[in-house]
Amino acid sequence: GENVEQHPSTLSVQEGDSAVIKCTYSDSASNYFPWYKQELGKGPQLIIDIRSNVGEKKDQRIAVTLNKTAKHFSLHITETQPEDSAVYFCAASKDTDKLIFGTGTRLQVFP
Amino acid sequence: DSGVTQTPKHLITATGQRVTLRCSPRSGDLSVYWYQQSLDQGLQFLIQYYNGEERAKGNILERFSAQQFPDLHSELNLSSLELGDSALYFCASSVRGLNYGYTFGSGTRLTVV
Repeated sequence: GENVEQHPSTLSVQEGDSAVIKCTYSDSASNYFPWYKQELGKGPQLIIDIRSNVGEKKDQRIAVTLNKTAKHFSLHITETQPEDSAVYFCAASKDTDKLIFGTGTRLQVFP
Repeated sequence: DSGVTQTPKHLITATGQRVTLRCSPRSGDLSVYWYQQSLDQGLQFLIQYYNGEERAKGNILERFSAQQFPDLHSELNLSSLELGDSALYFCASSVRGLNYGYTFGSGTRLTVV
């Protein structure tokens, strides 16, 4: 069935450094790839998304890249700040169908 | 405030009991999705409704059921509760057909004792 793998499960970086989280999906028909940030005690919040007709998308300090051939996509956070500390989830779906989530990455940014 | 309202925020109940979780989607959203998040686990898809009809089912136990009402709010019913059902239950909504991401509610934390 559909599956999304996410790595690493935990990531610790120094403030100001970059962080990269990678995901691989199994269903080649997937065409929508959002990223969510979940802070403690809150629901996941959409931070950026990309569709299969685009290879890269950037929004200030965050960017997402997509390699359809390899079926993987990545989240890049530059100039990390302590408030970036949270759990990040990637997800994949096709044609507005249900989202299949990765297992999450706990990012810690140390001042 | 995301616009998706979930009640109650916390629920403590005993094994064998039945509970109902409620979700009001964001205004204009026709699709409602239910997800379960166990401790240190990812988000497991349970079920999707679109405009009152069931559209997709995931790893939802037979003890669990859901429905979406004409006013588009949804309820997730969990019965014969077991300790392992303790988790965060999230509802999300979206405007189906426009390929937008979900908007999540803040969740209901269920503790079964």
